[in-house]
Amino acid sequence: QVQLQESGPGLVKPSETLSLTCTVSGGSVSRGSYYWSWIRQPPGKGLEWIAYIYYSGSTNYNPSLKSRVTISLDTSKNHFSLKLSSVTAADTAVYYCASLYCSRNSCYLNYWGQGTLVTVSS
Amino acid sequence: QSALTQPASVSGSPGQSITISCTGTSSDVGAYNYVSWYQQQPGKAPKLMIYDVTNRPSGVSIRFSGSKSGNTASLTISGLQAEDEADYYCSSYTRSSTLVFGGGTKLTVL
Repeated sequence: QVQLQESGPGLVKPSETLSLTCTVSGGSVSRGSYYWSWIRQPPGKGLEWIAYIYYSGSTNYNPSLKSRVTISLDTSKNHFSLKLSSVTAADTAVYYCASLYCSRNSCYLNYWGQGTLVTVSS
Repeated sequence: QSALTQPASVSGSPGQSITISCTGTSSDVGAYNYVSWYQQQPGKAPKLMIYDVTNRPSGVSIRFSGSKSGNTASLTISGLQAEDEADYYCSSYTRSSTLVFGGGTKLTVL
């Protein structure tokens, strides 16, 4: 059973860079068919997919956030990370890390972290 | 990419059935059978309820079922129970190899 745990600052100042890490246990980030993902949810609003990364280094980003987002993977630490630059109050949200399982005939988010609230405020 | 369209709210009485729709385009919902549904209780992470349009993960009640026709997917909950009250989100893999979510539907059990 894969478990994911987000970590990082809960408060970020406007215009600065939000940085979060997701530590994976119960499985390797190098396993095939797993795309390591970030998703966020502003207070009282819906889910928004941010990005994913594959163990090969292949990445994909939400077009609306692509210019500000970087996702990376550290296989030695079995974790992956998110950086979101030039943040504003609109980036205040609960940030979830999750695993996207995609194979030839299947694709879905099977495991989720508990989420971490990041507030953007001076 | 635009969010998938879901009704903001649905309601039903215990024992009844309800259906939540999720409308996209030929670039997402209509492109593949990669639609999934998630249940989110207040303050909790989403939980996978249906994957690949019709499949139920182990441990999910058989009262939950999914279907798709063209660019619209649906989640049906039969024999509604109080514990089903939650927010429900659909998601689809897209032709651009991205993910897109629906806006979410609040289910109220009357």
